[in-house]
Amino acid sequence: DQQVKQNSPSLSVQEGRISILNCDYTNSMFDYFLWYKKYPAEGPTFLISISSIKDKNEDGRFTVFLNKSAKHLSLHIVPSQPGDSAVYFCAARDDKIIFGKGTRLHILP
Amino acid sequence: DTAVSQTPKYLVTQMGNDKSIKCEQNLGHDTMYWYKQDSKKFLKIMFSYNNKELIINETVPNRFSPKSPDKAHLNLHINSLELGDSAVYFCASSQVAGNTDTQYFGPGTRLTVL
Repeated sequence: DQQVKQNSPSLSVQEGRISILNCDYTNSMFDYFLWYKKYPAEGPTFLISISSIKDKNEDGRFTVFLNKSAKHLSLHIVPSQPGDSAVYFCAARDDKIIFGKGTRLHILP
Repeated sequence: DTAVSQTPKYLVTQMGNDKSIKCEQNLGHDTMYWYKQDSKKFLKIMFSYNNKELIINETVPNRFSPKSPDKAHLNLHINSLELGDSAVYFCASSQVAGNTDTQYFGPGTRLTVL
C-alpha cells in the first residue's frame, strides 16, 4: 500500500519555465515532508523539506507547498535549469521516512 | 571527501551465494540506514541503526543481516542470495536534530543475482 504517491512518472519542462512536481499521501500522521533529487548512478540528495505545521517553504529557486486538508504537496522549481534534470523523490516521515516512486524531470533546451 | 561511501558499486553473483556490502560515513552521524530500490523504483527502508543499535527492521528476510562494528559503519550481509534480491541498495546516514531528519545517501550498490 503506497502511503506516498507520485502519480507522474515523468515530466518535461522548457528551460526557464516553472516545473511543478506533485505528491499525494495517505497517512495523516506524517509530520515532516522532504524532497530528494537523484542523478543517475548517484544516491538521492536532500533538496528541501517542510514541517506539517507550515504550508510553504522556500529556498532559492525551490518552493515546497503543503496542503494538509488535501494531503498533497508540490515542489516548484523556477526558473527551471538544465541541471535540474533528475529524478525527484517525495518523502514523508512518521517514525521512519517513506519515499514515493519518483518523478523524472526533463528540462528541455 | 565522500560523506557516505559504499563498496562495491556493482555486484554480480550467482543464486545461493553469500555477499556483503560495506558502508561508511564520515559525517559523525549517529544513525545509519539501508534502503532497497527494486525494479519498480520504490525506495524502501530495510534497517536503521542508531549508535550501533538496531532501531528499525522492516520485515526483511533473515537472510539479510546488518552489522554495525561502530557508528561510522553499517555493513549488509546477505546469505543464500535469490533472484528477487537483485536491486540497488543504498546506505544513508542522518543526525536527527529537532524536527529534521535529513538523510545523506551513498551512491548505491547495484546487486545482480543470476
